[in-house]
Amino acid sequence: DIQMTQSPSSMSVSLGDTVTITCRASQDVGIYVNWFQQKPGKSPRRMIYRATNLADGVPSRFSGSRSGSDYSLTISSLESEDVTDYHCLQYDEYPWTFGGGTKLELK
Amino acid sequence: EVQLVESGGGLVQPGRSMKLSCAASGFTFSNYGMAWVRQAPTKGLEWVATISYDGSSTYYRDSVKGRFTISRDNAKSTLYLQMNSLRSEDTATYYCTRARYWGQGVMVTVSS
Repeated sequence: DIQMTQSPSSMSVSLGDTVTITCRASQDVGIYVNWFQQKPGKSPRRMIYRATNLADGVPSRFSGSRSGSDYSLTISSLESEDVTDYHCLQYDEYPWTFGGGTKLELK
Repeated sequence: EVQLVESGGGLVQPGRSMKLSCAASGFTFSNYGMAWVRQAPTKGLEWVATISYDGSSTYYRDSVKGRFTISRDNAKSTLYLQMNSLRSEDTATYYCTRARYWGQGVMVTVSS
């Protein structure tokens, strides 16, 4: 199975920060990585698809990038509504696998 | 407006069965592959199963293979997950998803 190693697992942040979360794939998954935001008690929301594409309705302060087997989600000018959980997903190969998640917390 | 509405969850004893449903609306259901994803309490997301748009292909994670069956009724725009021989480790919120769209989730608790 492909492992998606997500880091950090948690991060203390301040409003206005630029935050980067990374998933490292254990083997090539091409562009087939999505990023999801999940607020407590809510369903996941797709933020980035195919590694770098901003999903509909997602603010432009969110961006996705890829460098080799490293996939990153960057949030610029962090706002209070962004302080929640994030997950990456590879769907290049079955079984699809999620990263372990990143929890953003305010300092 | 796209909607995915799960139903059928609840409390079930270990070893018993339960069937989840996901009613889809707002899009042409028969055109899209669908999946179930679960999330155990305080844990991360875990992919469970995927079915192709016409039901001809299905894929499962190893831990549910042989126990869970994903299916669909395109005439009813409904996705299903039949769960047999349930274990405590299957306790989770189960989401129906079409990648971009997710249902609200349904809780399944396996406990005696």
